[in-house]
Amino acid sequence: SSELTQDPAVSVALGQTVRITCQGDSLRSYYANWYQQKPGQAPILVIYGKNNRPSGIPDRFSGSSSGNTASLTITGAQAEDEADYYCNSRDSSGNHQVFGGGTKLTVL
Amino acid sequence: QVQLVQSGSELKKPGASVKVSCKASGYTFTSYAMNWVRQAPGQGLEWMGWINTNTGNPTYAQGFTGRFVFSLDTSVSTAYLQISSLKAEDTVVYYCAREGDAYSHFDYWGQGTLVTVSS
Repeated sequence: SSELTQDPAVSVALGQTVRITCQGDSLRSYYANWYQQKPGQAPILVIYGKNNRPSGIPDRFSGSSSGNTASLTITGAQAEDEADYYCNSRDSSGNHQVFGGGTKLTVL
Repeated sequence: QVQLVQSGSELKKPGASVKVSCKASGYTFTSYAMNWVRQAPGQGLEWMGWINTNTGNPTYAQGFTGRFVFSLDTSVSTAYLQISSLKAEDTVVYYCAREGDAYSHFDYWGQGTLVTVSS
């Protein structure tokens, strides 16, 4: 069973701000990383560590964390942001990794 | 530029074996761990484990011991996933993913390999 919990689906109006959350005990010790996956494509990394964006990821994507909850925020969501988003981190033991169940983001 | 290129789709019969390759380029292969992730149709990502590209030592997630083997050929910068005794439920997309420094994030991914198990 997944040790990271995500809401299955979230929607946002075009141009508005949306927060996607990820909960798990391991997040008290480890940062969450975030991936975007569009249909038929491999995931891509959008946020890693405290709040780091890989080259090429728009600055409307940001990450934060508090207690056992990590969040991915998209400020000014665009149509192209519609995708599945997954968090991942080390598990509570620190020896393995785990993914959240994923959140399907719909941009209205 | 960093690239991970996986082998093509496979169609196998139940009980057969398959070996998926992941060829890395654009960086020093032995400097980064390689992970394997799978995704069933319409489902989420599932971490299968990783292999230390320096030592060749694999670590498997729970549920991926026995039939699953990670291996390397460092001479050609390639990681392999071999699955034996294939079952219908092994019909998924398999991804290799490079593990970046510091935060154990997966910074580069292969394009995925669909393995279909059907009689």
